[in-house]
Amino acid sequence: EAQVTQNPRYLITVTGKKLTVTCSQNMNHEYMSWYRQDPGLGLRQIYYSMNVEVTDKGDVPEGYKVSRKEKRNFPLILESPSPNQTSLYFCASSLAATAYEQYFGPGTRLTVT
Amino acid sequence: GENVEQHPSTLSVQEGDSAVIKCTYSDSASNYFPWYKQELGKRPQLIIDIRSNVGEKKDQRIAVTLNKTAKHFSLHITETQPEDSAVYFCAASVPDSNYQLIWGAGTKLIIKP
Repeated sequence: EAQVTQNPRYLITVTGKKLTVTCSQNMNHEYMSWYRQDPGLGLRQIYYSMNVEVTDKGDVPEGYKVSRKEKRNFPLILESPSPNQTSLYFCASSLAATAYEQYFGPGTRLTVT
Repeated sequence: GENVEQHPSTLSVQEGDSAVIKCTYSDSASNYFPWYKQELGKRPQLIIDIRSNVGEKKDQRIAVTLNKTAKHFSLHITETQPEDSAVYFCAASVPDSNYQLIWGAGTKLIIKP
């Protein structure tokens, strides 16, 4: 089944404790992206990757890191999480960057205390 | 850079009536305009999209119209049903920014029985 998976789905952590949210797609998509969703603010892009070893900042990259060493995986790293990073995170992938449907993962609900 | 404004933020309609959600964008170079639907607790999913060389596109009860001169596009849902209740997001793709999608803040559509 074609899908985007994320892990974990729920995470409660403390300020400053490094964490990684994994994202994987099995559709051989070139483009992958991370979003955060907060009430009233819609979807805001954190980082995106147009292909392996190519990553770029989105609208809200501060406090996050990503890597794209393999085509299928695009992990999101929070080196030192803070309470303002409490949010719902979505990973998405599409065939290419140019005007194709984005397939979203199920989301990761992160709480930083 | 591109800015996408979406209105209204909440829309309540009687079951069977039509619903219209409007988005305006600022960058005249934008050339791809998708609409995503997010049901409560679920991931966003593409419901319809339109490219800049087309003025209107329909898919059963859903249609999207694009006015490039005025820089706005709208989602039209006819004969609304309870399962149409969700948050709807519009977005615009900007070629000059690696085709990054810029998202509207979302519209919560409530279908009253």
